[in-house]
Amino acid sequence: GENVEQHPSTLSVQEGDSAVIKCTYSDSASNYFPWYKQELGKRPQLIIDIRSNVGEKKDQRIAVTLNKTAKHFSLHITETQPEDSAVYFCAAGLTGGGNKLTFGTGTQLKVEL
Amino acid sequence: NAGVTQTPKFQVLKTGQSMTLQCAQDMNHNSMYWYRQDPGMGLRLIYYSASEGTTDKGEVPNGYNVSRLNKREFSLRLESAAPSQTSVYFCASSDFFPGASYEQYFGPGTRLTVT
Repeated sequence: GENVEQHPSTLSVQEGDSAVIKCTYSDSASNYFPWYKQELGKRPQLIIDIRSNVGEKKDQRIAVTLNKTAKHFSLHITETQPEDSAVYFCAAGLTGGGNKLTFGTGTQLKVEL
Repeated sequence: NAGVTQTPKFQVLKTGQSMTLQCAQDMNHNSMYWYRQDPGMGLRLIYYSASEGTTDKGEVPNGYNVSRLNKREFSLRLESAAPSQTSVYFCASSDFFPGASYEQYFGPGTRLTVT
């Protein structure tokens, strides 16, 4: 089955700096790569996703890049703000047949003033 | 729209007791999922239902059973709870038709403690 590794497990940045979280996946058939944000005590919520036919996607301060050959994808957050502090999860899966996802173990991002 | 709802929000069980976690969605999604979340382990898939009438094992199915009651509802049953099942349980739903969003929408979670 699919295996997703995520690094780092914790990340501390100064407000205004950029943050980068990296994930690798094992199953070359995976074609869908979402990123979820989870605030303390809340449910995970999708912040951005990318499909395998696209190499990069951007939404305001958030961008995701995908390298299918190397089987890794990354989340980039620019101009970080205190409200970006949360746990971020990457995931990989195959669309169709149930959209089953395998999640990484999460990155605790802390944005310090 | 309520989205994905789960009951109960909290539960404490003794070892060996049984219980059912309920989940319902009002987005007319075909697929539904049960995850457990433990510190440092991320979200691990227990069971999923690709469509009404089907269920499949995920990564950690042992000790659990599921029922897809209808398109809206997907329940998770612990027949004989064990301390290792202490966790936060999330239900989610999504759709998978080409051109549709593949986003999984999560419920608020159930915090279960087994003593």
